[in-house]
Amino acid sequence: GEDVEQSLFLSVREGDSSVINCTYTDSSSTYLYWYKQEPGAGLQLLTYIFSNMDMKQDQRLTVLLNKKDKHLSLRIADTQTGDSAIYFCAEKTNDYKLSFGAGTTVTVRA
Amino acid sequence: EAGVAQSPRYKIIEKRQSVAFWCNPISGHATLYWYQQILGQGPKLLIQFQNNGVVDDSQLPKDRFSAERLKGVDSTLKIQPAKLEDSAVYLCASSLDGVGFYEQYFGPGTRLTVT
Repeated sequence: GEDVEQSLFLSVREGDSSVINCTYTDSSSTYLYWYKQEPGAGLQLLTYIFSNMDMKQDQRLTVLLNKKDKHLSLRIADTQTGDSAIYFCAEKTNDYKLSFGAGTTVTVRA
Repeated sequence: EAGVAQSPRYKIIEKRQSVAFWCNPISGHATLYWYQQILGQGPKLLIQFQNNGVVDDSQLPKDRFSAERLKGVDSTLKIQPAKLEDSAVYLCASSLDGVGFYEQYFGPGTRLTVT
């Protein structure tokens, strides 16, 4: 099975906050990432967090890391229609490989 | 700055045929990656190059997949012969280096359909 797990779908109303959750298994992960993939496009790095941090804020994005529970979340404030996409959680382990979750499809409804 | 370029964008072939994909990374990026993304899954690393040498190809099905990065710049990924389960998007990515944080920049991918 996947080393990184995410819920598959999230539907949110425009203007509300979105929260996407992720769990990972490798306690030696050094960096954890959130990528966004729009239809027909490659992956775009949204934000990342180093494993010795527990929170990072970047404009509308807030990343929370609970290292004890190996849980990562991405909160998007004031969600817009342009935020509709697939969001991938990924961990980088000590061998510098990226391991991705299956992705969460976020649908923003008016 | 130009991004990672890939071609073709789409390819449809019959099983047992061969196919090749091409990737041009961002100028100056030493590390190049090929990923396979099956529908409904996250990308899975197939092979990683550092300049023109292979760093990791542990997930590459070597009986049918091959890749090269001549002169440490462009790369090609080949499948011969293709199977139905090879239907996927093949993503190329590049980074300044493969260690530490260096962001990986992804190309738009090649969508392969094997019939």
